[in-house]
Amino acid sequence: LAKTTQPISMDSYEGQEVNITCSHNNIATNDYITWYQQFPSQGPRFIIQGYKTKVTNEVASLFIPADRKSSTLSLPRVSLSDTAVYYCLVGPYNQGGKLIFGQGTELSVKP
Amino acid sequence: DTGVSQDPRHKITKRGQNVTFRCDPISEHNRLYWYRQTLGQGPEFLTYFQNEAQLEKSRLLSDRFSAERPKGSFSTLEIQRTEQGDSAMYLCASSLEVGTGTEAFFGQGTRLTVV
Repeated sequence: LAKTTQPISMDSYEGQEVNITCSHNNIATNDYITWYQQFPSQGPRFIIQGYKTKVTNEVASLFIPADRKSSTLSLPRVSLSDTAVYYCLVGPYNQGGKLIFGQGTELSVKP
Repeated sequence: DTGVSQDPRHKITKRGQNVTFRCDPISEHNRLYWYRQTLGQGPEFLTYFQNEAQLEKSRLLSDRFSAERPKGSFSTLEIQRTEQGDSAMYLCASSLEVGTGTEAFFGQGTRLTVV
């Protein structure tokens, strides 16, 4: 599975847009990009998944350039409750829950 | 609540004791996964089941660890002769076999402290 690299931590303020970029230089042709969110003392929660270009849902947007060697998770107008660790994962679409997590990005949203 | 349920939420045990954790997946999910997470790190895959069959085990799963899913529903993870290094959050997740990409649903975890 392709290795991912993302910032260890980020700070933001309420109401701002937050963009977390993940590098995955060795992504394979059949790999998808998935982001999970984890609050303290809880299990991770699926946020969004994509293969190329842009994907948007009610929580976030995922931007993937044509070369797919990186991706950006965009959280619009964050609130204090978005303070969490965000994980970027890369792997085959059908791998189900057999996931390889990196260290993630700890996002801290301040008032 | 129809999510993934784990029991207990917290467990403190003395070194050398055996512990067992339980996971109840989402009822229609036939895949079940166990992960371990230490402070400041992402979850690490331990093992997974498809129905009652254990299909894969990580090298992290030493001989002291055993997992079962006897009827393809709930699962148990047992750690024998616990060591301080076993202190971690143990997470369970479940997913459908096909059609859902990489969306797995996680429980809230069991936090194990070995003293």
